[in-house]
Amino acid sequence: EAQVTQNPRYLITVTGKKLTVTCSQNMNHEYMSWYRQDPGLGLRQIYYSMNVEVTDKGDVPEGYKVSRKEKRNFPLILESPSPNQTSLYFCASSRSGGSGNTIYFGEGSWLTVV
Amino acid sequence: AQSVTQLGSHVSVSEGALVLLRCNYSSSVSVYLFWYVQYPNQGLQLLLKYLSGSTLVKGINGFEAEFNKSQTSFHLRKPSVHISDTAEYFCAVSVQGGSEKLVFGKGTKLTVNP
Repeated sequence: EAQVTQNPRYLITVTGKKLTVTCSQNMNHEYMSWYRQDPGLGLRQIYYSMNVEVTDKGDVPEGYKVSRKEKRNFPLILESPSPNQTSLYFCASSRSGGSGNTIYFGEGSWLTVV
Repeated sequence: AQSVTQLGSHVSVSEGALVLLRCNYSSSVSVYLFWYVQYPNQGLQLLLKYLSGSTLVKGINGFEAEFNKSQTSFHLRKPSVHISDTAEYFCAVSVQGGSEKLVFGKGTKLTVNP
Protein backbone atom coordinates (compact mmCIF):
# COMPACT_ATOMS: atom_id res chain seq x y z
CA GLU A 1 0.00 0.00 0.00
CA ALA A 2 1.29 3.43 -0.98
CA GLN A 3 1.83 5.51 2.09
CA VAL A 4 3.70 8.21 3.94
CA THR A 5 4.59 7.13 7.46
CA GLN A 6 5.44 9.52 10.27
CA ASN A 7 6.71 8.80 13.76
CA PRO A 8 5.96 9.56 16.48
CA ARG A 9 2.27 10.32 16.04
CA TYR A 10 2.04 11.96 19.44
CA LEU A 11 4.78 13.52 21.52
CA ILE A 12 4.99 15.76 24.55
CA THR A 13 8.44 17.18 25.15
CA VAL A 14 10.13 19.92 27.13
CA THR A 15 11.61 23.16 25.91
CA GLY A 16 15.12 22.73 24.56
CA LYS A 17 15.16 18.95 24.29
CA LYS A 18 16.15 17.99 20.75
CA LEU A 19 13.75 15.79 18.89
CA THR A 20 13.36 14.24 15.45
CA VAL A 21 10.16 13.39 13.65
CA THR A 22 10.79 10.73 11.06
CA CYS A 23 9.07 10.48 7.70
CA SER A 24 9.27 7.67 5.18
CA GLN A 25 7.48 7.08 1.87
CA ASN A 26 7.31 3.89 -0.17
CA MET A 27 6.33 5.39 -3.52
CA ASN A 28 9.81 6.27 -4.82
CA HIS A 29 8.82 9.94 -4.85
CA GLU A 30 11.43 12.59 -5.57
CA TYR A 31 9.64 15.42 -3.81
CA MET A 32 9.06 15.52 -0.05
CA SER A 33 8.05 18.30 2.29
CA TRP A 34 6.97 19.19 5.80
CA TYR A 35 3.97 21.29 6.80
CA ARG A 36 2.65 22.49 10.11
CA GLN A 37 -1.02 23.00 10.78
CA ASP A 38 -2.23 25.54 13.31
CA PRO A 39 -5.82 26.50 14.11
CA GLY A 40 -7.07 29.31 11.94
CA LEU A 41 -3.89 29.34 9.84
CA GLY A 42 -4.28 26.27 7.69
CA LEU A 43 -1.13 24.43 6.65
CA ARG A 44 2.16 26.16 6.05
CA GLN A 45 5.25 24.65 4.46
CA ILE A 46 8.35 24.36 6.64
CA TYR A 47 10.93 22.76 4.32
CA TYR A 48 10.92 20.80 1.12
CA SER A 49 13.25 18.56 -0.85
CA MET A 50 13.27 18.09 -4.61
CA ASN A 51 15.54 15.03 -4.38
CA VAL A 52 18.33 13.43 -2.39
CA GLU A 53 20.69 16.04 -0.90
CA VAL A 54 18.50 18.89 -2.26
CA THR A 55 16.54 20.78 0.38
CA ASP A 56 15.17 24.31 0.65
CA LYS A 57 13.23 26.50 3.02
CA GLY A 58 9.50 26.86 2.88
CA ASP A 59 7.48 29.64 4.44
CA VAL A 60 8.15 28.95 8.13
CA PRO A 61 11.61 27.32 8.46
CA GLU A 62 12.81 29.02 11.65
CA GLY A 63 13.68 26.55 14.40
CA TYR A 64 13.69 23.50 12.12
CA LYS A 65 16.25 21.48 10.20
CA VAL A 66 15.87 18.71 7.66
CA SER A 67 18.06 16.28 5.79
CA ARG A 68 17.55 14.05 2.75
CA LYS A 69 20.23 11.41 2.66
CA GLU A 70 17.99 8.73 1.17
CA LYS A 71 15.16 9.10 -1.27
CA ARG A 72 12.55 7.52 0.98
CA ASN A 73 13.32 9.40 4.22
CA PHE A 74 12.94 13.05 5.15
CA PRO A 75 13.31 13.64 8.92
CA LEU A 76 12.33 16.90 10.59
CA ILE A 77 14.66 18.00 13.37
CA LEU A 78 13.83 20.43 16.15
CA GLU A 79 17.19 21.10 17.79
CA SER A 80 15.85 23.27 20.61
CA PRO A 81 12.06 23.11 20.63
CA SER A 82 10.07 26.00 22.01
CA PRO A 83 6.38 26.22 22.97
CA ASN A 84 5.53 28.08 19.76
CA GLN A 85 6.44 24.92 17.87
CA THR A 86 3.51 23.11 19.45
CA SER A 87 1.58 22.08 16.39
CA LEU A 88 0.36 19.29 14.14
CA TYR A 89 3.01 18.33 11.62
CA PHE A 90 2.50 16.63 8.28
CA CYS A 91 5.01 15.04 5.99
CA ALA A 92 4.11 14.88 2.31
CA SER A 93 5.52 13.47 -0.90
CA SER A 94 4.89 13.50 -4.65
CA ARG A 95 6.49 12.28 -7.85
CA SER A 96 8.22 15.50 -8.79
CA GLY A 97 7.93 19.21 -8.57
CA GLY A 98 5.96 21.67 -10.63
CA SER A 99 3.64 19.37 -12.52
CA GLY A 100 0.49 19.38 -10.45
CA ASN A 101 1.17 15.88 -9.20
CA THR A 102 -0.94 14.60 -6.36
CA ILE A 103 0.73 15.22 -3.04
CA TYR A 104 0.30 12.44 -0.49
CA PHE A 105 0.22 13.26 3.21
CA GLY A 106 1.10 11.28 6.27
CA GLU A 107 -1.33 10.97 9.14
CA GLY A 108 0.30 13.74 11.13
CA SER A 109 2.39 14.10 14.27
CA TRP A 110 0.98 15.98 17.22
CA LEU A 111 3.81 17.75 19.01
CA THR A 112 3.41 19.57 22.32
CA VAL A 113 6.33 21.53 23.76
CA VAL A 114 5.98 22.50 27.42
CA ALA B 1 3.03 35.30 -4.00
CA GLN B 2 -0.09 33.21 -3.95
CA SER B 3 -2.92 33.36 -1.45
CA VAL B 4 -6.10 31.38 -0.93
CA THR B 5 -9.24 32.59 0.79
CA GLN B 6 -11.95 30.24 1.96
CA LEU B 7 -15.19 31.95 2.88
CA GLY B 8 -16.72 30.57 6.03
CA SER B 9 -14.61 28.76 8.62
CA HIS B 10 -17.61 26.67 9.71
CA VAL B 11 -20.52 25.39 7.67
CA SER B 12 -23.35 23.33 9.08
CA VAL B 13 -25.94 21.60 6.92
CA SER B 14 -28.48 18.82 7.18
CA GLU B 15 -27.95 15.42 5.67
CA GLY B 16 -29.12 15.33 2.08
CA ALA B 17 -28.66 19.04 1.53
CA LEU B 18 -26.55 20.68 -1.14
CA VAL B 19 -23.30 22.10 0.15
CA LEU B 20 -21.12 24.75 -1.47
CA LEU B 21 -17.70 25.56 -0.05
CA ARG B 22 -16.17 28.70 -1.48
CA CYS B 23 -12.56 29.25 -2.47
CA ASN B 24 -10.94 32.24 -4.12
CA TYR B 25 -7.29 32.57 -4.95
CA SER B 26 -4.84 35.27 -5.87
CA SER B 27 -1.81 34.71 -8.07
CA SER B 28 0.13 36.61 -10.71
CA VAL B 29 1.15 33.36 -12.41
CA SER B 30 -0.73 30.29 -13.54
CA VAL B 31 -1.59 27.83 -10.82
CA TYR B 32 -3.00 24.38 -10.31
CA LEU B 33 -5.94 24.09 -7.91
CA PHE B 34 -6.74 21.44 -5.34
CA TRP B 35 -9.27 20.49 -2.72
CA TYR B 36 -8.17 18.30 0.17
CA VAL B 37 -10.29 16.78 2.93
CA GLN B 38 -9.17 16.04 6.48
CA TYR B 39 -11.30 13.65 8.48
CA PRO B 40 -10.97 13.82 12.27
CA ASN B 41 -7.56 12.65 13.47
CA GLN B 42 -6.40 11.80 9.98
CA GLY B 43 -4.10 13.23 7.34
CA LEU B 44 -5.16 15.09 4.24
CA GLN B 45 -6.66 13.27 1.31
CA LEU B 46 -6.99 14.68 -2.19
CA LEU B 47 -10.62 15.21 -3.24
CA LEU B 48 -9.97 16.63 -6.70
CA LYS B 49 -7.67 18.89 -8.65
CA TYR B 50 -7.74 21.15 -11.67
CA LEU B 51 -4.74 21.16 -13.96
CA SER B 52 -6.19 22.16 -17.33
CA GLY B 53 -9.06 21.42 -19.71
CA SER B 54 -12.68 21.21 -18.63
CA THR B 55 -13.41 23.67 -15.87
CA LEU B 56 -15.76 21.26 -14.10
CA VAL B 57 -13.77 18.71 -12.16
CA LYS B 58 -15.26 15.64 -10.55
CA GLY B 59 -13.61 14.07 -7.55
CA ILE B 60 -14.11 11.31 -5.07
CA ASN B 61 -17.17 10.79 -2.86
CA GLY B 62 -19.47 12.72 -5.20
CA PHE B 63 -17.70 16.06 -4.89
CA GLU B 64 -17.12 18.40 -7.81
CA ALA B 65 -15.58 21.82 -8.28
CA GLU B 66 -15.68 24.44 -10.98
CA PHE B 67 -12.73 26.58 -11.96
CA ASN B 68 -13.61 30.14 -12.90
CA LYS B 69 -10.57 32.01 -14.16
CA SER B 70 -12.24 35.40 -14.44
CA GLN B 71 -13.44 35.24 -10.86
CA THR B 72 -10.31 33.40 -9.64
CA SER B 73 -12.53 30.91 -7.88
CA PHE B 74 -12.60 27.15 -7.38
CA HIS B 75 -15.74 26.40 -5.39
CA LEU B 76 -16.47 22.89 -4.15
CA ARG B 77 -19.95 21.43 -4.13
CA LYS B 78 -21.81 18.25 -3.40
CA PRO B 79 -25.49 17.92 -4.31
CA SER B 80 -26.45 15.71 -1.37
CA VAL B 81 -24.17 15.39 1.65
CA HIS B 82 -23.93 12.50 4.05
CA ILE B 83 -23.03 12.50 7.72
CA SER B 84 -19.73 10.87 6.79
CA ASP B 85 -18.77 14.06 4.89
CA THR B 86 -18.26 15.80 8.22
CA ALA B 87 -14.63 16.93 7.98
CA GLU B 88 -12.43 19.92 7.34
CA TYR B 89 -11.91 20.95 3.73
CA PHE B 90 -8.90 22.80 2.41
CA CYS B 91 -8.50 24.60 -0.87
CA ALA B 92 -4.92 24.92 -2.13
CA VAL B 93 -2.93 26.15 -5.11
CA SER B 94 0.50 25.40 -6.49
CA VAL B 95 2.43 27.33 -9.10
CA GLN B 96 2.69 25.72 -12.50
CA GLY B 97 6.34 24.82 -13.07
CA GLY B 98 7.16 25.71 -9.49
CA SER B 99 8.36 23.65 -6.55
CA GLU B 100 5.11 21.76 -5.95
CA LYS B 101 4.55 23.76 -2.76
CA LEU B 102 0.90 23.93 -1.81
CA VAL B 103 -0.44 27.22 -0.51
CA PHE B 104 -3.49 26.41 1.58
CA GLY B 105 -6.53 28.32 2.63
CA LYS B 106 -7.40 28.31 6.31
CA GLY B 107 -9.94 25.55 5.91
CA THR B 108 -13.69 25.14 6.27
CA LYS B 109 -15.11 22.78 8.84
CA LEU B 110 -18.20 21.09 7.49
CA THR B 111 -20.65 19.54 9.91
CA VAL B 112 -23.45 17.42 8.49
CA ASN B 113 -26.33 16.96 10.90
CA PRO B 114 -28.79 14.04 10.85
